Amino acid sequence: DTGVSQDPRHKITKRGQNVTFRCDPISEHNRLYWYRQTLGQGPEFLTYFQNEAQLEKSRLLSDRFSAERPKGSFSTLEIQRTEQGDSAMYLCASSAGVHGEAFFGQGTRLTVV
Amino acid sequence: GQNIDQPTEMTATEGAIVQINCTYQTSGFNGLFWYQQHAGEAPTFLSYNVLDGLEEKGRFSSFLSRSKGYSYLLLKELQMKDSASYLCAVRDRGNTPLVFGKGTRLSVIA
Repeated sequence: DTGVSQDPRHKITKRGQNVTFRCDPISEHNRLYWYRQTLGQGPEFLTYFQNEAQLEKSRLLSDRFSAERPKGSFSTLEIQRTEQGDSAMYLCASSAGVHGEAFFGQGTRLTVV
Repeated sequence: GQNIDQPTEMTATEGAIVQINCTYQTSGFNGLFWYQQHAGEAPTFLSYNVLDGLEEKGRFSSFLSRSKGYSYLLLKELQMKDSASYLCAVRDRGNTPLVFGKGTRLSVIA
């Protein structure tokens, strides 16, 4: 296992379409996080799982966003009816252990046209 | 609420030392993290402080003062490859998600 992997790396979609991203965390990491990052900003927390349970969702996460982590392994983030404002880098991270530093994937860059 | 402040941009010379400051205001505190992020790439973990004092790791050191809500990242013997954004992040309790500052974009010049 070489780290957190995300798929796809890039996605261009038309406004109003639905998109789904996948994240495979580091094996045995029980915590998985989704963040969104726009140019010149730090990562912004979206939602977080411990095993298969979704423990927290940001107030910024509209009803158009949904995330799942079936069986506590990989996770998916779906955005319905995409808007231009959804254009961003979507980062997935996983963590485990006492200190729990988060290890990030390469991200999925979404462009809504 | 939570607030994390760090300078937007800094420039330093190759071979020099640079200090990137971070101040935070959070409802609780359970650790401060520094990440490095090169343009177009994922953030990578640099350091972690949960107790007051200095943590040293090669050319990188990180300092924490919990009473002042203050941390800094010190980079020594700067190299061109250190040009990147440096993100300060705080965990306010337990093992909750990290809250990130906006990042400091460091440019290392010859």
